[in-house]
Amino acid sequence: GAGVSQSPSNKVTEKGKDVELRCDPISGHTALYWYRQSLGQGLEFLIYFQGNSAPDKSGLPSDRFSAERTGGSVSTLTIQRTQQEDSAVYLCASSLNQEHGYTFGSGTRLTVV
Amino acid sequence: GEDVEQSLFLSVREGDSSVINCTYTDSSSTYLYWYKQEPGAGLQLLTYIFSNMDMKQDQRLTVLLNKKDKHLSLRIADTQTGDSAIYFCAESILGSGTYKYIFGTGTRLKVLA
Repeated sequence: GAGVSQSPSNKVTEKGKDVELRCDPISGHTALYWYRQSLGQGLEFLIYFQGNSAPDKSGLPSDRFSAERTGGSVSTLTIQRTQQEDSAVYLCASSLNQEHGYTFGSGTRLTVV
Repeated sequence: GEDVEQSLFLSVREGDSSVINCTYTDSSSTYLYWYKQEPGAGLQLLTYIFSNMDMKQDQRLTVLLNKKDKHLSLRIADTQTGDSAIYFCAESILGSGTYKYIFGTGTRLKVLA
């Protein structure tokens, strides 16, 4: 598609449940990033994928968070045993190269009740 | 370390100029960016500047880079109510063979009619 697509746009889940968030990057973009934006906060880096290289997972806040990118395209961010502090907007972005920066999706708003 | 700092709020009157400031710590930045986030939306790349430039102008937007002081600013001329948003600065830095982007916390611009 023309942009970065994320689904679902909104997700309400019960504490302790697992959730999966999906990101469809722009075709041909080799780099894919996940960020988290909590209410009133800036962007918190979670993980990024660059081509076939091992992902940089340095931003994942706990081992309940994991992400994969299949075939160098679609990515799924999984949060296991969700907690209320996981409530945030999860943003995905993809990039072709440095000069063009990122293109962001509209995000998934996760609410853990 | 890697850190990007911005003031949290800025309020201006419609028609005035807005100046949003950002400081960063990593001198190896190659590109620096300004992103805009409107309510309920993802981030949109506004403009970027290569680190060997000190100024870039794009219509109502002027980016100034002082590499010695590690200071980046975004000037919006003739600010309009539609410019009300959160503005993020970001830098790209080389780490572990690939580029990583570090974002500031964002500056919330409020334009008063």
